[in-house]
Amino acid sequence: AQSVTQLDSQVPVFEEAPVELRCNYSSSVSVYLFWYVQYPNQGLQLLLKYLSGSTLVKGINGFEAEFNKSQTSFHLRKPSVHISDTAEYFCAVRRSNFGNEKLTFGTGTRLTIIP
Amino acid sequence: DTEVTQTPKHLVMGMTNKKSLKCEQHMGHRAMYWYKQKAKKPPELMFVYSYEKLSINESVPSRFSPECPNSSLLNLHLHALQPEDSALYLCASSQGRNEQFFGPGTRLTVL
Repeated sequence: AQSVTQLDSQVPVFEEAPVELRCNYSSSVSVYLFWYVQYPNQGLQLLLKYLSGSTLVKGINGFEAEFNKSQTSFHLRKPSVHISDTAEYFCAVRRSNFGNEKLTFGTGTRLTIIP
Repeated sequence: DTEVTQTPKHLVMGMTNKKSLKCEQHMGHRAMYWYKQKAKKPPELMFVYSYEKLSINESVPSRFSPECPNSSLLNLHLHALQPEDSALYLCASSQGRNEQFFGPGTRLTVL
């Protein structure tokens, strides 16, 4: 089975400062990794994904993440945050060799931007 | 069209009511999912349909009954729910090994 750990439940950051949201995973098989964002009272929107290839993945809204297989991590970064980035962020994992697989989510990180 | 739509947006029902949640996608995806999300928690998988057949049921109580009438539609029939079933119900779809696309959800309140 797969598992995802997001150690930081809340991260407050000043506007225009950089941010890193941490995600570690555990799996005995190869996986695909995802970051989703959820704004209040909305569904989940995909920020970025790692399937294969380059370990540095760029996503929407200026976010990027780096896949580190040795450390089993997939941390999300943004060099300069905006008020509009205030939201809940979920890291998720699924097995890579199967189609239509379930996603396993971390517990989420609430990012709050301080003006 | 890269959208998953869900109706209704909000639903309030009593414990003896029968209601249905609807989900639709026109992206040609052959897998569709129902998730339940409680406040300040991650989504929890309930059901997966693959090619209109139920492929995963995560031990969900029988008061939740999914249905996939065709490749674009997914329903969740609700009957005799409990107040603890109040949550945001999310639908998603995917194709093959690609990411899941989520709908905006239905906010369900059981009185």
